[in-house]
Amino acid sequence: KAGVTQTPRYLIKTRGQQVTLSCSPISGHRSVSWYQQTPGQGLQFLFEYFSETQRNKGNFPGRFSGRQFSNSRSEMNVSTLELGDSALYLCASSMRNSGTEAFFGQGTRLTVV
Amino acid sequence: GENVEQHPSTLSVQEGDSAVIKCTYSDSASNYFPWYKQELGKGPQLIIDIRSNVGEKKDQRIAVTLNKTAKHFSLHITETQPEDSAVYFCAASMAGGYQKVTFGTGTKLQVIP
Repeated sequence: KAGVTQTPRYLIKTRGQQVTLSCSPISGHRSVSWYQQTPGQGLQFLFEYFSETQRNKGNFPGRFSGRQFSNSRSEMNVSTLELGDSALYLCASSMRNSGTEAFFGQGTRLTVV
Repeated sequence: GENVEQHPSTLSVQEGDSAVIKCTYSDSASNYFPWYKQELGKGPQLIIDIRSNVGEKKDQRIAVTLNKTAKHFSLHITETQPEDSAVYFCAASMAGGYQKVTFGTGTKLQVIP
């Protein structure tokens, strides 16, 4: 059974640009959550999608957005990139919701220069 | 919102010794407590979890205990091996809803051969 796939693995962007990250969950999983991981702040929850609807959102500015498609694949978008957005972005999939076993992808390492 | 504190931030043990990582949570409504292991360059991997209707759970060399009254839970690794070296995260959430998962700040475990 394939795991959670995140693409791309690495990205370098310039301040002010926008970026889209992709996450393909484990087959049969309908919930996808996104996290930002930085050395100083640890793992911070961004948002969770279930059945194409955003069910919960963390404390991030509106520049961070996401969506989920009918096949449960999810994308997150960050507009007007800032240096502080440099981080490892992780997505996790679970069968039902965030209170069940969640499986993480390897993440996308975003560097903003 | 939920707040999870994790201690210690770093832990060094000799191979074969035991390691204990402790977490406390603030929201008494939380009832699902997973533990994740993150190796360098990889996403977090679920290693064990416990629900609030259970006080202890074991899986080979790994065990987790939960004290609901005190709102703390702990990870115990016995007979540590060099491959146990990684960063460990505890987390808390409410199963059955869409409450975000809140992570602890992580413990870097080093097992010295």
